[in-house]
Amino acid sequence: DAGVTQSPTHLIKTRGQQVTLRCSPKSGHDTVSWYQQALGQGPQFIFQYYEEEERQRGNFPDRFSGHQFPNYSSELNVNALLLGDSALYLCASSPGTGPTDTQYFGPGTRLTVL
Amino acid sequence: QKEVEQNSGPLSVPEGAIASLNCTYSDRGSQSFFWYRQYSGKSPELIMSIYSNGDKEDGRFTAQLNKASQYVSLLIRDSQPSDSATYLCAVKRTGGFKTIFGAGTRLFVKA
Repeated sequence: DAGVTQSPTHLIKTRGQQVTLRCSPKSGHDTVSWYQQALGQGPQFIFQYYEEEERQRGNFPDRFSGHQFPNYSSELNVNALLLGDSALYLCASSPGTGPTDTQYFGPGTRLTVL
Repeated sequence: QKEVEQNSGPLSVPEGAIASLNCTYSDRGSQSFFWYRQYSGKSPELIMSIYSNGDKEDGRFTAQLNKASQYVSLLIRDSQPSDSATYLCAVKRTGGFKTIFGAGTRLFVKA
């Protein structure tokens, strides 16, 4: 049973460019959340997708957008990249959105913006 | 005031000792509490979840929750060098969808 997968593993971009990160949830999971983790910090919630809709959004600008597909996989898009967007981007899936639905994290995508 | 606060550490304990990790949260509407372990360069891995006041034990790990004091802790008994990692406390409020993480506590277990 494959866990949460993310692609690519690493990415280097320059300021102003756009990037798309991808996530496939764990089998049986229908909910995907995205997090940004800067060095030395805890993961910061970007948004959550359920039934192809954004359920809740964290304190991130509109440059961050996402999408969920009918097979529950998800994409995170970041436009007009800034140096401060350099971070580990984590995708987490869960079997639902309830309080006891456990999130499982993927390996992450390390984004470097030069 | 941060929503979830943890001592950044590092916390250093000798092998075989008990490591005690603490976390406080500000939202009294919080319902679900989690401890994740994160090795350097890796993604977070769930260790424990706790939803009601009191203690919850799983092997060498015990999570403790006190909602009145807005405090949650993780005890690691018989600490091993392989327990050396950053431990993240995370909280989810009632009816909410997002999980809020603390900045983590770095733990070093000395052989």
